[in-house]
Amino acid sequence: DGGITQSPKYLFRKEGQNVTLSCEQNLNHDAMYWYRQDPGQGLRLIYYSQIVNDFQKGDIAEGYSVSREKKESFPLTVTSAQKNPTAFYLCASSIKQATNEKLFFGSGTQLSVL
Amino acid sequence: AQKVTQAQTEISVVEKEDVTLDCVYETRDTTYYLFWYKQPPSGELVFLIRRNSFDEQNEISGRYSWNFQKSTSSFNFTITASQVVDSAVYFCALSGTTSGTYKYIFGTGTRLKVLA
Repeated sequence: DGGITQSPKYLFRKEGQNVTLSCEQNLNHDAMYWYRQDPGQGLRLIYYSQIVNDFQKGDIAEGYSVSREKKESFPLTVTSAQKNPTAFYLCASSIKQATNEKLFFGSGTQLSVL
Repeated sequence: AQKVTQAQTEISVVEKEDVTLDCVYETRDTTYYLFWYKQPPSGELVFLIRRNSFDEQNEISGRYSWNFQKSTSSFNFTITASQVVDSAVYFCALSGTTSGTYKYIFGTGTRLKVLA
């Protein structure tokens, strides 16, 4: 079955540590996205990528980094510069980045600070 | 600026009741799309419906129906004869291109609890 796989499901970060969240899709989608979900705040866009080797900052990119070396993969690194990283992180993809495209989501990673 | 407002933070209903989730949006785009997604406890958002700004026809899919009214900038979602499995967080979203920049904006979500 095609879909988006996020791992791990739960992740704990120590202060000063960088952690990487994995996102893999086998839908052959060109566009991929990372969202952060906080209680009562909906989803906010961190980074997005329209094609391999290209990505753009979203609304809350500070303290995060991404790469897109393969079409299938779009890992997100939460750096030590992100002072409030505790949140639920969702990876999504779409066939292409266009206003009419629906998003397909992974099941998320809950990141907490130790 | 684009904005999506879901004023209902949480709604509780008893099974078999009908329930309407409200969504009000703001945009200056003439062409835009509206979406509803469901987030069950498992976490992933699941697409429910997409509607473009030129199509104001209401839509019904089983127990689900959607009412799109451009005059009031609303895209409300009704579940008829609710079931416990409908318990989830529901998000309304708006997609458009503002000043040449692609934007996909989510509301803050409405948590629906259906009690047996």
